[in-house]
Amino acid sequence: ETGVTQSPTHLIKTRGQQVTLRCSSQSGHNTVSWYQQALGQGPQFIFQYYREEENGRGNFPPRFSGLQFPNYSSELNVNALELDDSALYLCASSLSGGRSTDTQYFGPGTRLTVL
Amino acid sequence: GQNIDQPTEMTATEGAIVQINCTYQTSGFNGLFWYQQHAGEAPTFLSYNVLDGLEEKGRFSSFLSRSKGYSYLLLKELQMKDSASYLCAVRDLDTDKLIFGTGTRLQVFP
Repeated sequence: ETGVTQSPTHLIKTRGQQVTLRCSSQSGHNTVSWYQQALGQGPQFIFQYYREEENGRGNFPPRFSGLQFPNYSSELNVNALELDDSALYLCASSLSGGRSTDTQYFGPGTRLTVL
Repeated sequence: GQNIDQPTEMTATEGAIVQINCTYQTSGFNGLFWYQQHAGEAPTFLSYNVLDGLEEKGRFSSFLSRSKGYSYLLLKELQMKDSASYLCAVRDLDTDKLIFGTGTRLQVFP
């Protein structure tokens, strides 16, 4: 157990809909990163939040957006869902000090299916 | 560019030793991680290397050569529960993001 939780576990949506995924970080961790993992692939970095500010972004379109709250919990929002958005969405929390980050610990993931 | 390469699949026998290789090309390097991921579950942290050399942790060891852009994960005394995907990830120096390979699926047979 990493102390990182995500909800919901599974989600089914239809094309064009919007979805919000949630993540609760490990106690004391101030940084959260979100990843998309397609079947048979490694996780792909979406973005990272540090102290409620976006702190780096991967090659994902603007319809992928996020929030981090003062208690360091986080949300991933995806608008205008496409079939290719079907994947496991992972959040990972870590403790950052300046530019240096500690090990990232992953939550159990949310399995999103877009029909 | 950024590229992480590792074999897609490997098989081994219970009790044996297996070495999973990872080569990488990145614009900035700030450490290499190995994660284990069982099917349908989240990746779990195994090891971290930032300096050249071998890091040993129980049955698992990880090696890094920065000049060669090369790492390996060594698993000893294999057990059936070690059947999983093993993900190699490099941390980018500028953004701190993890860049993952596609993972190596290891199957351990009795």
